Order: sequence, then C-alpha cells, then structure tokens
Amino acid sequence: NAGVMQNPRHLVRRRGQEARLRCSPMKGHSHVYWYRQLPEEGLKFMVYLQKENIIDESGMPKERFSAEFPKEGPSILRIQQVVRGDSAAYFCASSPTQGAGTDTQYFGPGTRLTVL
Amino acid sequence: AQSVAQPEDQVNVAEGNPLTVKCTYSVSGNPYLFWYVQYPNRGLQFLLKYITGDNLVKGSYGFEAEFNKSQTSFHLKKPSALVSDSALYFCAVREAGGSYIPTFGRGTSLIVHP
Repeated sequence: NAGVMQNPRHLVRRRGQEARLRCSPMKGHSHVYWYRQLPEEGLKFMVYLQKENIIDESGMPKERFSAEFPKEGPSILRIQQVVRGDSAAYFCASSPTQGAGTDTQYFGPGTRLTVL
Repeated sequence: AQSVAQPEDQVNVAEGNPLTVKCTYSVSGNPYLFWYVQYPNRGLQFLLKYITGDNLVKGSYGFEAEFNKSQTSFHLKKPSALVSDSALYFCAVREAGGSYIPTFGRGTSLIVHP
C-alpha cells in the first residue's frame, strides 16, 4: 500500500510566479490536510479537505493561497504570486475517516518550496 | 482550545542510555495524544498514540509513552537509545469531540551520541 505521495519534492520559483503542490493520499483515505513547516516554528495547519469540499481553512492565508481536492486526482495547494516568505516545507497528510477524531494522520515526504 | 508544549528544544543522550522527550498538553476535555518522528528532509512518521485505556502506550521502534492525566503529560521514552534514533520528535494533541485538526508542538531535536 503506497503511502502519501507528494510532488514535486523540491520546487524553485521566482517572486511573482505560481507554485502548485500536489498530494495523493493513501489508498482508501478520503481526508487530506496541508501543513507548512518553517525552521524553528514547527508544523502549522493550513487546510483540511475532503473530496470536493473544504472542511476547515482556518490556517490558510486569506490571499494568494488556495486548495482543492477534486473528485478525481490529487489534492492541489496553489500559491499565487509567491514571495520569499512562502519558502518553507509543505506537508500533506491523509486519514481514512474522521471517525471519533482518533484517526492517525499519515504524512507525505513534503515539498520544499524555495522562492528566489 | 487545545495546546501542546515541548519544553526542550534539544535532548542529548548517550547511546545505550534511556531517553525521555517531554510533552505537556492542555485541552478542555479528554485528549487524544500522538507522537511523530521526522528524519532530515523527510515527512513525519507516526510513532504511537493514546486514545483511551492503558496509560502506557507502546509504539514503533521500541518507543513508548506514558499518559499522565494529573500532570497533563505524555512523555516519550525508550529504554536504550540508538544513534539512529537521532531525529526531530513532535507531540500532537486533539481534544475528544473537538476539532479534527491536531495541534503540534514545536518539536524536540534528539541527538544520540555514540
């Protein structure tokens, strides 16, 4: 059973360009979470999605950032007009169901975004 | 609101010695507690979780953690450290019946010296 897949693993963009990060959850998982990790700051929640629905985007910046999880295909985190402060590691996690909130999240290897 | 604290940025231990990585939490109700490990340039790997039942939880790679409700702690332990255990360790908490999003600690860097 393949784990959570993320691509690309490394992404370099110039200021003002768009960054598109992809996440394929584990087989059988229908819940996807995106996190951002900055050095010395730990892991910060961004958005929680189910297929075709955004459940919680309370951690997502209001501008330039968007996320989707279509019926078919991977979840996409899109950052428009990137700035240097967007440079970070972005992790995707998936879980099978909400259950009673006890489900473990399984993480992908991350995409390391560098903005020049 | 839920929160978690990892009071040590770094823990140093000699190979073969026992290790402890500390975690304390705060929730209004009952907690669900998780430990993850992150190796350099990798994603987080699940180690163990406490949901209910026995306060001592055993996980992957010989790690265990003890849930202590009175001290609101969930310290990660291993009887004998290996150099390969050197990594970044994250504690996370989620409140039962609350948000489905866990709150992660800032992480503790464990360094095991040969």
